[in-house]
Amino acid sequence: AQSVTQLDSQVPVFEEAPVELRCNYSSSVSVYLFWYVQYPNQGLQLLLKYLSGSTLVKGINGFEAEFNKSQTSFHLRKPSVHISDTAEYFCAVTRKTSYDNVIFGPGTSLSVIP
Amino acid sequence: DVKVTQSSRYLVKRTGEKVFLECVQDMDHENMFWYRQDPGLGLRLIYFSYDVKMKEKGDIPEGYSVSREKKERFSLILESASTNQTSMYLCASSTATTAYYGYTFGSGTRLTVV
Repeated sequence: AQSVTQLDSQVPVFEEAPVELRCNYSSSVSVYLFWYVQYPNQGLQLLLKYLSGSTLVKGINGFEAEFNKSQTSFHLRKPSVHISDTAEYFCAVTRKTSYDNVIFGPGTSLSVIP
Repeated sequence: DVKVTQSSRYLVKRTGEKVFLECVQDMDHENMFWYRQDPGLGLRLIYFSYDVKMKEKGDIPEGYSVSREKKERFSLILESASTNQTSMYLCASSTATTAYYGYTFGSGTRLTVV
């Protein structure tokens, strides 16, 4: 079975500073990887996804993530955060097979400080 | 864009009441899911459905049931609401090729049981 670990439950960062949100997964087979964002009192939105090919994927709002197979990681980064990036971020994984559910990590709460 | 609509953003119910949470999607997705989200616990899968009249238990089905009479609608039922079911409930949908596209979420229903 797959699992997802997000080591940091809360990440405070000053506005315009860079940020990295860490995600590690475990799986015995090839996987697809996702990052979702949840703004306060809203549902989750897909931020970006890794399916295959280039290990660096770009998403919405200036975020990017890098897939590292040897370290089984998929860390999310942004070079300069804004107040509007304050949200909960979820890493997720699913096996590369149909009819398989997505497994979500516990989430990281990003707080951007003015 | 796919839209997943949850009928209520906020609900307050009394202990012992029967509660219906409704979810409708407008893009002919085969798969639908119900999650609950609690601080520190992330998203936990309650039930899911891969087709009309089909349902599968997720990780925490106790105290809940579901109904899928039409492809676009997936209802979550709390047979006798209890205070420990106070939570944010999220509905999601996806195509049959779940893994590739990820999920589309509704805005959530925050349920308070008093």
